[in-house]
Amino acid sequence: GAVVSQHPSRVICKSGTSVKIECRSLDFQATTMFWYRQFPKKSLMLMATSNEGSKATYEQGVEKDKFLINHASLTLSTLTVTSAHPEDSSFYICSASTGAPAGNEKLFFGSGTQLSVL
Amino acid sequence: GDSVTQMEGPVTLSEEAFLTINCTYTATGYPSLFWYVQYPGEGLQLLLKATKADDKGSNKGFEATYRKETTSFHLEKGSVQVSDSAVYFCAPSNAGNMLTFGGGTRLMVKP
Repeated sequence: GAVVSQHPSRVICKSGTSVKIECRSLDFQATTMFWYRQFPKKSLMLMATSNEGSKATYEQGVEKDKFLINHASLTLSTLTVTSAHPEDSSFYICSASTGAPAGNEKLFFGSGTQLSVL
Repeated sequence: GDSVTQMEGPVTLSEEAFLTINCTYTATGYPSLFWYVQYPGEGLQLLLKATKADDKGSNKGFEATYRKETTSFHLEKGSVQVSDSAVYFCAPSNAGNMLTFGGGTRLMVKP
């Protein structure tokens, strides 16, 4: 079946540094990728939706300049947490949609990235 | 590692039919359990959750009970509507708050 590779799985960084998380669809072209964040003991929160070749659509309350999303190709989307701070520590997960056939698109998930900012 | 098994779809029902979507999981310890729903063209939304054994999560007429003895978290609704047509994902969350998703089950409800 389709696989989405997300890495790194865990990252520890110092406050003020930037962290890049990659999400790759390995055997299909993902027209749309979603980025989510999960706060401890909370549910998943959609951060943004990205379509290849266009700017990401951010959810209300998510800082565009803080969480940079680049969907450069149909198989790769990256999330960069810029100038990370301890409050950015969280579990980030991406998902990729096949986008076709219409009405039967499938969604596949990366394994997630646990970010810890010291 | 943790894993989730969901019944494969699509599940096609008539309006007002009873819905069950099975979900079983393997996980270390005592995970929290979630059901997420994705409506066409949208991102995931939390549908319901349960954080300990025998808890029942409920929302919008959907229910699921945390069954530790059978490691299951089956989703049910007594009377589905066309607007319930979506893809449903079962996901346990371990102590480190890392989610593991099932493959998703597509539900199609016909009028």
